Amino acid sequence: GENVEQHPSTLSVQEGDSAVIKCTYSDSASNYFPWYKQELGKRPQLIIDIRSNVGEKKDQRIAVTLNKTAKHFSLHITETQPEDSAVYFCAARGGSARQLTFGSGTQLTVLP
Amino acid sequence: GAVVSQHPSRVICKSGTSVKIECRSLDFQATTMFWYRQFPKQSLMLMATSNEGSKATYEQGVEKDKFLINHASLTLSTLTVTSAHPEDSSFYICSAKETYRNTGELFFGEGSRLTVL
Repeated sequence: GENVEQHPSTLSVQEGDSAVIKCTYSDSASNYFPWYKQELGKRPQLIIDIRSNVGEKKDQRIAVTLNKTAKHFSLHITETQPEDSAVYFCAARGGSARQLTFGSGTQLTVLP
Repeated sequence: GAVVSQHPSRVICKSGTSVKIECRSLDFQATTMFWYRQFPKQSLMLMATSNEGSKATYEQGVEKDKFLINHASLTLSTLTVTSAHPEDSSFYICSAKETYRNTGELFFGEGSRLTVL
């Protein structure tokens, strides 16, 4: 089955700096890659997603890049703000699978 | 947007009792729902895939007799933790996929924190 690895596990940045979180996946048939933000004790919220026919997608301060050859995808947050502090999870869904496989999560802390 | 409601948000029970958690898609039909378990500071671990009108598909290592899943309608799936023990204490989250929109997006419930005394 699919295996998703996520790095780093923790990330601290100064307010206004950029943050980058990286994930790799194992199933070359995977075709959908969402990113979720989860605040403590709350539900995961989809912040951006990308499909395998696209290399990059951007939504205001958030962007995701996908390298199918290398089987990795990254989340980029620019001009970080304290409210960006949360745990971020990448995920992948491959081929005929209906379920998502999640990465281990990254605790992002934006220091004011 | 699509909303998934999960109830109860918190439950405390005695060891040996059973607890039922409900997951409802409020404004869309969901043939498929997923149940996850999340330990503190850890990722979401898929427990089972709930299929409307048929048996759930359990992930390896998840006891189907311990975690009973029923998906009797297109908007409701329930997870029953039977004969709960302290080690079952966890955060349980459901998610749903909209049947008639193939966007791939999953919508999550608010989660249910179970504490077994």
